[in-house]
Order: sequence, then structure tokens, then C-alpha cells
Amino acid sequence: EIVLTQSPGTLSLSPGDRATLSCRASQSVRDYLAWYQQKPGQAPRLLIYYASIRAAGTPARFSGSGSGTDFTLTISSLESEDFAIYYCQHRSDWPVTFGQGTRLEIK
Amino acid sequence: QITLRESGPTLVEPTQTLTLTCTFSGFSLLTSGVGVGWIRQPPGKALEWLALTYSDGEKSNSPSLKDRLTITKDTSNNQVVLTMTNVDPMDTGTYYCARHLEPSQAFDLWGQGAKVTVSS
Repeated sequence: EIVLTQSPGTLSLSPGDRATLSCRASQSVRDYLAWYQQKPGQAPRLLIYYASIRAAGTPARFSGSGSGTDFTLTISSLESEDFAIYYCQHRSDWPVTFGQGTRLEIK
Repeated sequence: QITLRESGPTLVEPTQTLTLTCTFSGFSLLTSGVGVGWIRQPPGKALEWLALTYSDGEKSNSPSLKDRLTITKDTSNNQVVLTMTNVDPMDTGTYYCARHLEPSQAFDLWGQGAKVTVSS
């Protein structure tokens, strides 16, 4: 099973700041890495798939990068609605796994 | 418009069998490269993948729950059913179904979730 480790666990930033979230895989997942945003009481929402492709409706301030084992989700300038929990997920092989999440909170 | 909706019991007793149904619209499980999966989330914890079934018949379950899970699809009624046997209080949480697309290898659309409590 491929383990996805997200860091940091919690990120405290202010609106307008740049956020950098990391997801590291225990072995290569090629480019089959997705990022999701989850707000309290809501279902997750797909932001990025195939490591760097924005899903429909994802604002341009969100970008994904990386390949193999190291991936990054960057939010160029935080807006109030971006404070949430972010998860990475792979489907390069079975089983599908999710990371443990990064909580992005207002400083 | 594409929608997915989970349904099932809100309270299940330990050792019983939990059956959850995902009813979807706006897409078909007869379409190549389309799948529907189940993901759960214990209160305050991370997402955990449970099972996934595809239009071509391929399916897979989480190895940690493999013997307890069954996923089946009913393409004529646009439903995917998850059955979990011998439930335990640790199975308490919100259960989501979501569409999975093979080209993107991601869950692009999710249901609102069904809250399940396992308690006597």
C-alpha cells in the first residue's frame, strides 16, 4: 500500500499570504495524484487532478506540481474561503489511499 | 446536472450488517472509464477509501476491510450498493459516494454524505 504523508499538519497563514502544502508518497504514483478541499460539514471538492490540472471551477490561484513521490499544492494568495482542510489522494495502483490532511487556518 | 446521493440507516447495532446505497443521475455506469466509489470519514478524522467499481466490471476493496465489504452496481437503476458486515463502533462516521473517472484517476463529484452511528 502506498502511504501519502502530508505536511505540515496545520498551516497558519493570513489572507493574501502564499500557501504551500506538501504530499509525499512512499513510492512513485507517477502523476496520478489529486488534491481535494474540504470545509466543515461539507463533502470534499476536487481541486487538482493528474498532479497539476485544475478541475472545473478551481480558481487560478490554486496550482499543483510534482511527479513521482513529491507533490505540492500552492495557493498563490489566500482568500478567506480557502481556509479549510486539504487532502491528497492517489490511484496509481490499488488500494486507493488519501493523505491525513493539512488544516489551513487563519493566523 | 450530475448528482450522487447516499442513503441508508443512521444507526446500526454492533455486529449487524450496514447497507448503503448510492443513487446517481446525470451519468451512466455503462460509460467506459466511469466508476463509483465509497469513502468514509470518522468524526474529526481523515478520509478513508473503502471500495470502487467501474463500468467494465473491475472493482476493488480496501485491504484493511476486504473481507467485510462488498460493492455491487445496478446499472439499470443507477445505483451502487456498499455492504459492510459485522460493524463496530469504529465504523461510525460519514460515508460518501463519489464518481471516479479513469482518465483523471480522481473522484470528481461527491454526494453530500450519510452519517452512520454504530452503537447499541
